[in-house]
Parts: sequence; structure tokens; C-alpha cells
Amino acid sequence: GIQVEQSPPDLILQEGANSTLRCNFSDSVNNLQWFHQNPWGQLINLFYIPSGTKQNGRLSATTVATERYSLLYISSSQTTDSGVYFCAVRGSNYQLIWGAGTKLIIKP
Amino acid sequence: NAGVTQTPKFQVLKTGQSMTLQCAQDMNHEYMSWYRQDPGMGLRLIHYSVGAGITDQGEVPNGYNVSRSTTEDFPLRLLSAAPSQTSVYFCASSYRFWGNTEAFFGQGTRLTVV
Repeated sequence: GIQVEQSPPDLILQEGANSTLRCNFSDSVNNLQWFHQNPWGQLINLFYIPSGTKQNGRLSATTVATERYSLLYISSSQTTDSGVYFCAVRGSNYQLIWGAGTKLIIKP
Repeated sequence: NAGVTQTPKFQVLKTGQSMTLQCAQDMNHEYMSWYRQDPGMGLRLIHYSVGAGITDQGEVPNGYNVSRSTTEDFPLRLLSAAPSQTSVYFCASSYRFWGNTEAFFGQGTRLTVV
């Protein structure tokens, strides 16, 4: 089955810093999503991005499907950006296959 | 437009008790699914449905039952709760299970079995 790997596993930054999170996947996919799980456990949709580039405020994402990776950029980090960032791709029986996540801590 | 609504948000059960986690969506989505998330892990699929009257097992179906009598609702039943079922449960829906399959999640149900 499809394998999804995220890096780095942990990231600690000062408020205002920029960061890049990476998601590699082992096979071609036609669905990729980025989620933010906040400290209260809520899963928030960030991007649905099977290919190309999207931007939403301080966040942007790029997926290069032919090279099997996606990047999530966070600029000018705020403490509210803390949490775990997951990427997930759609597998063979329609389930989402999840990476292990990147735990981001933004210090004031 | 409420999106995906899960109830309850928190629940404590005794071993052997049964209960139903409710999930409803108002987006006319065909595809609905239930996941569980254990500490420090990603989500694992329990059961899914591609439309009313159609359900199938996911990666970790044992101990759980589902039905889909309407497009809007997809309840998850725990038949006889066990401590191993202590987890956070998420319901998700997508417009379709092919093509644009962006998934939307409910707020989660934190279940503790003692």
C-alpha cells in the first residue's frame, strides 16, 4: 500500500519564523490533503491539493505529484499555529492514509 | 450549514457497555467514514460508507458496527466496550469517493473505557 512520510517529526520555532513541512508519498495519488490538529484535538482542513500550488493567508502548499511530494509553508508563525500537521492521501479502498505528522511548537 | 456534527464530545463507559456515537452531515456527501486516533498516531479507518445502504470495513473494524440508512447519518456502535477502544473517534465525509474527495471532519469524540 501507499506509504506516507512526513518530516521533520518535531519543530520548535520562535514566533515570527518561517517553516517548511514536507510530505513524501510512495505511489501516485490523485488526492492529498493537509490538516492542522490543534492542541484541543480538532482537525482543521488546510489544503486539498492533489497538484499545484495554493495559498491561504500565511500558509501555502505545493504538491509535485510526478515527484511524489508535497510541501506546506508557514510564514510569520504565530503561537496559534502550534499543533500537529498531518498530510493524508486517498488509498485503494477510499480511506485516507496518514503520515505520522509534524509536531510544531511556536514559542512566544 | 453545520458541516459534520458528532455527538457526544466526551464519553466514559464501563467495560462491557454498549453505546452509539452519532455522526451527521448536511452537505449531501456520498462518502462517510469513521476513524480512530490513538495517542501519537495518525488516524485509522474503522468503517466507511459510499452511500445509503452501503457500508464496508476499514483497517480496524472489530468491535464496531455501522449502518447508513440515510445520506445524512452514519452512526458507529460499540457492541461491548473494551479498554482497548479508549481513543478519539472522528467522523468524516466527502462529496464523493472518487474525483474530488476532499474530506471534512467532525470535532471528534473522546471515549474512555474503564
